[in-house]
Amino acid sequence: ETGVTQSPTHLIKTRGQQVTLRCSSQSGHNTVSWYQQALGQGPQFIFQYYREEENGRGNFPPRFSGLQFPNYSSELNVNALELDDSALYLCASSLELAGGKHEQYFGPGTRLTVT
Amino acid sequence: GENVEQHPSTLSVQEGDSAVIKCTYSDSASNYFPWYKQELGKGPQLIIDIRSNVGEKKDQRIAVTLNKTAKHFSLHITETQPEDSAVYFCAASRRGTSYGKLTFGQGTILTVHP
Repeated sequence: ETGVTQSPTHLIKTRGQQVTLRCSSQSGHNTVSWYQQALGQGPQFIFQYYREEENGRGNFPPRFSGLQFPNYSSELNVNALELDDSALYLCASSLELAGGKHEQYFGPGTRLTVT
Repeated sequence: GENVEQHPSTLSVQEGDSAVIKCTYSDSASNYFPWYKQELGKGPQLIIDIRSNVGEKKDQRIAVTLNKTAKHFSLHITETQPEDSAVYFCAASRRGTSYGKLTFGQGTILTVHP
């Protein structure tokens, strides 16, 4: 086990609703990255948070937003849900230092279904 | 941006055989290449990684090789066991402000038959 936890494990929402997913990073890690994994695909990078600031964003619309808290835990918020948002949402934590130790360790994911 | 291609999409081997999965990348600035194993219902698990200043790395039955000139890297699993059955993903990233952004391949479903 990586020590990265995510909640909830499963979620069903209706199109147009909003959702908040949560992630607790591995102890000592200061960086959290979020990924979307559609069925049968590799994970796609959504964004990364480092010391509470967004530090890089993938090709996702602004209705995908996030937060990182002083304890380095993080939230992913998705507004105006669409059917194509149905996916496994993965959180990965890492420790970024000068000199770059950057292995990313993933949580078990949250399975979001939009109907 | 970076693009990672992974082959084959499915791989079936007999227990004890070797398995090889290959990936190519497009961004010559990429310098970090991890491999993840994902079992059903779980998140990806980091199994081995390699940095661009190294050509090969081995950890027990798992090895990764990197050819920077050709921009491809490979995962080698020897003496496969049924518990090696899973989906394997390669990924690439590069140093910088988005250092943590991993670009993943499409995955390889490995099945090891007893």
